[in-house]
Amino acid sequence: DAGVIQSPRHEVTEMGQEVTLRCKPISGHDYLFWYRQTMMRGLELLIYFNNNVPIDDSGMPEDRFSAKMPNASFSTLKIQPSEPRDSAVYFCASSTLFTGTHNTGELFFGEGSRLTVL
Amino acid sequence: GQSLEQPSEVTAVEGAIVQINCTYQTSGFYGLSWYQQHDGGAPTFLSYNALDGLEETGRFSSFLSRSDSYGYLLLQELQMKDSASYFCAVRMDTGRRALTFGSGTRLQVQP
Repeated sequence: DAGVIQSPRHEVTEMGQEVTLRCKPISGHDYLFWYRQTMMRGLELLIYFNNNVPIDDSGMPEDRFSAKMPNASFSTLKIQPSEPRDSAVYFCASSTLFTGTHNTGELFFGEGSRLTVL
Repeated sequence: GQSLEQPSEVTAVEGAIVQINCTYQTSGFYGLSWYQQHDGGAPTFLSYNALDGLEETGRFSSFLSRSDSYGYLLLQELQMKDSASYFCAVRMDTGRRALTFGSGTRLQVQP
């Protein structure tokens, strides 16, 4: 299995520009999560989906952020317009109800997209 | 709301044993997980406790006391490659799959 695939791995952009981050979850996983990691705030949940439907978006900072999951194999996180305080590593993770023989709720993370907004 | 507390840094030598504690305050609780993250890498799952007691996976063990809202990760026979950040994470309830992460403990293993 290829694991969770995120693109781009690195993005440098200027304030005011639109940024789109992409994620392909592990095939068969029905939960998808977007987390943001910064030194100051740690790992924060932004939004998560179940069967392509957003379940909780209370962590989305403001209207500049939006996330979609048009199908089971693809999700996007969009920031428009971007600001320097959006600089962070954005992780996508996927999960399924049962992993192995125990319901550990394990999240499988992608390698992250490091965003720098100048 | 919810909060998790864990030490920010721990230093130990190769071959030693180290314990990383985690206390939590949540409005609901279903289970406690531990994740490892190397610099520049992704968090990876280590262990999960839903019931009180000790779970052992090789050199790593995790403990949970639900009555004390407390858990720890025990790393034995430390190796240099164990230098990383370790996060405890709470799952709130059976209907909520998302995890709330602690701020992480940076473990430095010295020779």
